[in-house]
Amino acid sequence: SQTIHQWPATLVQPVGSPLSLECTVEGTSNPNLYWYRQAAGRGLQLLFYSVGIGQISSEVPQNLSASRPQDRQFILSSKKLLLSDSGFYLCAWWGSTEAFFGQGTRLTVV
Amino acid sequence: RKEVEQDPGPFNVPEGATVAFNCTYSNSASQSFFWYRQDCRKEPKLLMSVYSSGNEDGRFTAQLNRASQYISLLIRDSKLSDSATYLCVVNKADYKLSFGAGTTVTVRA
Repeated sequence: SQTIHQWPATLVQPVGSPLSLECTVEGTSNPNLYWYRQAAGRGLQLLFYSVGIGQISSEVPQNLSASRPQDRQFILSSKKLLLSDSGFYLCAWWGSTEAFFGQGTRLTVV
Repeated sequence: RKEVEQDPGPFNVPEGATVAFNCTYSNSASQSFFWYRQDCRKEPKLLMSVYSSGNEDGRFTAQLNRASQYISLLIRDSKLSDSATYLCVVNKADYKLSFGAGTTVTVRA
């Protein structure tokens, strides 16, 4: 069966520090992968999606970047975090009939 | 205009009550529709897909109205465990899912 792993679950980082969140998928090949951010009391905002290795589409201009170095690996990064980067980050995989989410990373930038 | 809009609620209902809420979407080319449930500080999980003819899963009924571009969710005989945020999700078949901000439902004893 397909599973999606995301880590870490929580993270507290100072302003200006780098960020790296990792997501991996098991049990499928060539998945469509997504990074979403959910601010407190808000809906999910699509940040990046990828349909294959090295293929990244950015939905909103921001302080973040994404990479897909392997078929089942999707990484969200930042060189210098801002306070406004705080939120709940979710990696997702679109399985053609539904989206599956990782457990999420709660990022607090202080 | 947002791609997907929902009444944020909250809907506070007693156990056993029926609660219903809608979601509107702006893109008429949207092809698939879903309701997800999100518990506090957790990831969203699929509640049910929404089909053109409407569909039911136990106490939950989903309807799609393409002409008016909205979908609805009805929960019958509410349970305490139904307390959650319900996210409306729309897929335009271009690999991108659009989420509503969610409708919060609180079921009280």
